[in-house]
Formats: sequence, structure tokens, C-alpha cells
Amino acid sequence: DAGVIQSPRHEVTEMGQEVTLRCKLISGHNSLFWYRQTMMRGLELLIYFNNNVPIDDSGMPEDRFSAKMPNASFSTLKIQPSEPRDSAVYFCASSLALGNYGYTFGSGTRLTVV
Amino acid sequence: GENVEQHPSTLSVQEGDSAVIKCTYSDSASNYFPWYKQELGKGPQLIIDIRSNVGEKKDQRIAVTLNKTAKHFSLHITETQPEDSAVYFCAASPGTNAGKSTFGDGTTLTVKP
Repeated sequence: DAGVIQSPRHEVTEMGQEVTLRCKLISGHNSLFWYRQTMMRGLELLIYFNNNVPIDDSGMPEDRFSAKMPNASFSTLKIQPSEPRDSAVYFCASSLALGNYGYTFGSGTRLTVV
Repeated sequence: GENVEQHPSTLSVQEGDSAVIKCTYSDSASNYFPWYKQELGKGPQLIIDIRSNVGEKKDQRIAVTLNKTAKHFSLHITETQPEDSAVYFCAASPGTNAGKSTFGDGTTLTVKP
């Protein structure tokens, strides 16, 4: 298996533009997590899904952020409109199920909003 | 909800020495405790985990110990090498089918050659 695949690896965009980050889960994994990592705030959980259903989105910072799982193997995180303070590394991770299973993280998308 | 505290935040050791990172958790329902290693420019990678029916687990140079009574668990790395330099995260997860892992804030380990 190729692992969790994220695209793009790097994204530079201007303030106000829409940004879409993509994630392909490991086949057979049923849970999907979106994280954001910055030096100031560390690793923050934004939202997670189980069996394509959003379970907890309390970590999503604002209404400008939205996430979807259109099918069992794919997810998107959208920021519209983007702001400079959204600059961070965004990771998605998948696991077999919720509870006592480890996560497999993707390589991340480094987002820079100028 | 669960709260995980991790210490120290930074740790510097000489190559060949041992390194110990400690975590405490608050929710007695947690029963799965993974550890992740994050190298520069990469995502965290699961390196070892322990479940609450086990007190200690070893995998070559790394070991984890768990004390459920005291609600703390530790990562031990022996004979450290420069390639062990990374950020290490502990986490705690409930055993039910509806929970997520709660991560510690991370420990930056530097192994000096």
C-alpha cells in the first residue's frame, strides 16, 4: 500500500483565494483525521470522520474551513477565503477504526497564504 | 475530555546514552497508548504502542511502560543514535469504538554525535 497520500505537497496562494487540500486514505481504513501543525499551536485536530460521517468538527477554526468525504477513500479540506494566519502544515491521517488503533499520517501539505 | 501532558518538551542526550519521555493522562477509560516519531518535513509515524492489559513492551532499542494506577506511561530509547533525533508525541485513546486519540505536545529529542 502506498500509505496516506496528500496533495499538493506545497501550496502558495494569495489571501482571499480558495484552497483545497486532498487526502487519499489507506484502503480498508474507516476513520479519517485532519490536523494542522504550526510552531505556535503545535498539532491541532480539526475534524475527524468515521465511515464517511463527520464525528467531531469542534476543532475547525472558523466557517471558512470545511471538510468532506465524498467516498470511503477520499477527503478534501477547503479554506474559503484563505487568510495569512491559515499558513501551516496540514496533515491527514487514517486508521482502521476509532478507539485503540494507531494512525497513519500523510506527508502533509505546507500551505502559505501571502 | 482526555488531557495528556508530556515532559520534557526538549531533551538533549549524547549518542549512546538513554532517553526517557514521560506522559500522564487524565481519563481512566483510556486503554491504548501509541507513540509517534516526527522527522523534519514528514508526518508523525507510529513507532510503538501499548494497550492497558500490558505493563511493558519492547521493540529493539525502544520500550514503553504503562502504569494504569498512576495514569502515566513512558518511552525509553536506549543506545541513542543521531537518527533518533526527532519530535516524539505520546497519545491516549479510549477503548470504545467512538473515540479519538488525544496527543501530548511533543518532545524534541536531539542526539549529539
